[in-house]
Amino acid sequence: DTGVSQNPRHKITKRGQNVTFRCDPISEHNRLYWYRQTLGQGPEFLTYFQNEAQLEKSRLLSDRFSAERPKGSFSTLEIQRTEQGDSAMYLCASIRPTRGGNEQFFGPGTRLTVL
Amino acid sequence: QKEVEQDPGPLSVPEGAIVSLNCTYSNSAFQYFMWYRQYSRKGPELLMYTYSSGNKEDGRFTAQVDKSSKYISLFIRDSQPSDSATYLCAMSADKAAGNKLTFGGGTRVLVKP
Repeated sequence: DTGVSQNPRHKITKRGQNVTFRCDPISEHNRLYWYRQTLGQGPEFLTYFQNEAQLEKSRLLSDRFSAERPKGSFSTLEIQRTEQGDSAMYLCASIRPTRGGNEQFFGPGTRLTVL
Repeated sequence: QKEVEQDPGPLSVPEGAIVSLNCTYSNSAFQYFMWYRQYSRKGPELLMYTYSSGNKEDGRFTAQVDKSSKYISLFIRDSQPSDSATYLCAMSADKAAGNKLTFGGGTRVLVKP
């Protein structure tokens, strides 16, 4: 399978616990994006990486959130001290930008439920 | 006001009908326009991608972009029950702005057999 993969697919946790999600982008895609989607809404941008460098973070990304892409391949998104408002689908997308090209391909998402 | 507006629906059509979807936006910097299909509890699937203004056709799907009106459309011909899903429009500015996507809220479409 050469698509974007995300693990775990589902995560149920208690408020106050830490969680970590993983995204494996399409190989050769040097840009990786994280989005959050709540029920009935479109995805909202959180942050993105060009290779291992984190180039932009949304205001949605509070200090409880941290993302890494240590070797420019897979990425992790960690949420510390989870809150019920963190319950959402966390989506990862990747792209190899070319002139005029911006097709972002999404993974299946990680659905987080905070009890 | 949101940067990208999309009617949430639901939009219910009989099988074989044309489905017409649209989005309006306010940011004139947007240059890339995409339509994604999302089934329940799945990730978005890229359907159509358009750069700047114009039309693009791919099988049963036609995407139109009118930058002067800040309005984009997606038409699905000969709709099938398997087309029942949420359709998301998305757009971005140029590569220098990071290509991050701004989405509409999605339109739920139901194609009845």
